[in-house]
Amino acid sequence: DAGVTQSPTHLIKTRGQQVTLRCSPKSGHDTVSWYQQALGQGPQFIFQYYEEEERQRGNFPDRFSGHQFPNYSSELNVNALLLGDSALYLCASSLPHGTDTQYFGPGTRLTVL
Amino acid sequence: AQSVTQLGSHVSVSEGALVLLRCNYSSSVPPYLFWYVQYPNQGLQLLLKYTSAATLVKGINGFEAEFKKSETSFHLTKPSAHMSDAAEYFCAVSRRDDKIIFGKGTRLHILP
Repeated sequence: DAGVTQSPTHLIKTRGQQVTLRCSPKSGHDTVSWYQQALGQGPQFIFQYYEEEERQRGNFPDRFSGHQFPNYSSELNVNALLLGDSALYLCASSLPHGTDTQYFGPGTRLTVL
Repeated sequence: AQSVTQLGSHVSVSEGALVLLRCNYSSSVPPYLFWYVQYPNQGLQLLLKYTSAATLVKGINGFEAEFKKSETSFHLTKPSAHMSDAAEYFCAVSRRDDKIIFGKGTRLHILP
């Protein structure tokens, strides 16, 4: 049973570029959440997708957008990259209710130069 | 608003000694509380969670945590530290059907 998978593992971009990160949820899960973890910090909630719609959103600008596909996989898009967007981006999948365990993927390390 | 405070960004214990990682939360409604562990270059793994059942919660790898409402605390303990316990530990809080709010983390060092 595959867990949560994310691609790519590492990514290097320059300021102003756009990036797309991908996530495949654990089998049987239909809810995907995205988190940003800056160096030395705890993960910060970006948004959550359920039934192909954004269900909740954290305090992130509109440059951060997402999508969920019918197979429950998800993408995180970041436009107009800033140096401060450098971080580990974590995807977590779960069943719809917030108290259910969220299973995290290994993350995508984004470096913005 | 909900928040979590982890006391001590770094904690060092000797192998075989008691592990105690401190977490205090703030929540206007009964919270759901979690401890996650993160090993280097990996994602987060759930150690245990409290969802208003028993106040003493047992998790994986010998860890446990006690929910104390009067102290708004959810400290993580393990009776005997092992070298493999060296990692970053995150306390987190949530409400039902709401996002998870993480603390800043505590790095646990195990001394031989």
